[in-house]
Amino acid sequence: NAGVTQTPKFQVLKTGQSMTLQCAQDMNHNSMYWYRQDPGMGLRLIYYSASEGTTDKGEVPNGYNVSRLNKREFSLRLESAAPSQTSVYFCASSEEGFPYNSPLHFGNGTRLTVT
Amino acid sequence: DAKTTQPNSMESNEEEPVHLPCNHSTISGTDYIHWYRQLPSQGPEYVIHGLTSNVNNRMASLAIAEDRKSSTLILHRATLRDAAVYYCIPRGSTGNQFYFGTGTSLTVIP
Repeated sequence: NAGVTQTPKFQVLKTGQSMTLQCAQDMNHNSMYWYRQDPGMGLRLIYYSASEGTTDKGEVPNGYNVSRLNKREFSLRLESAAPSQTSVYFCASSEEGFPYNSPLHFGNGTRLTVT
Repeated sequence: DAKTTQPNSMESNEEEPVHLPCNHSTISGTDYIHWYRQLPSQGPEYVIHGLTSNVNNRMASLAIAEDRKSSTLILHRATLRDAAVYYCIPRGSTGNQFYFGTGTSLTVIP
């Protein structure tokens, strides 16, 4: 099992460029998440998808859009990258459902630099 | 959301037990307490979770206070590979939203 796979691993963008971060999971999980982690900080939730066809904002959604393409895939798009979006981006998935005791499984991250 | 308080950093000698505390005084009755850790340059990984009873697995033990306002992650014999940031996350009342704080940075001294 690959678990949660993120592509690309590294990316450098110029201010104003756009890109899509890809995430796929092979565990048949219902819920998927995008987090960002700035140097020396904890993780902050950008968007999440409780199930196929639904998405919701997290703590820091501004400047991002997401698409839950199917049950396996959840992409994060930066329409016009800004230096403040320089960060490490983590995708995660969980099986889900009440009582919310399913653990999160994380990918290895995408390191994005915006110049 | 239930708020958590964890020490910013802790140190332990190798092969000694480590007790990592977490206060979550606003936790609701249906919130599970999850613990994750993040090794340098890696994504977080699940460690353990529980509701009311103490829990054990091959990685660690979780001791939950009777009033559930605090919990302690116990690493029975710290190794150098346990050096990481440890996050305590109550989860349930907000459903799908796992909120990570800044965690406790554990240093293991050889």
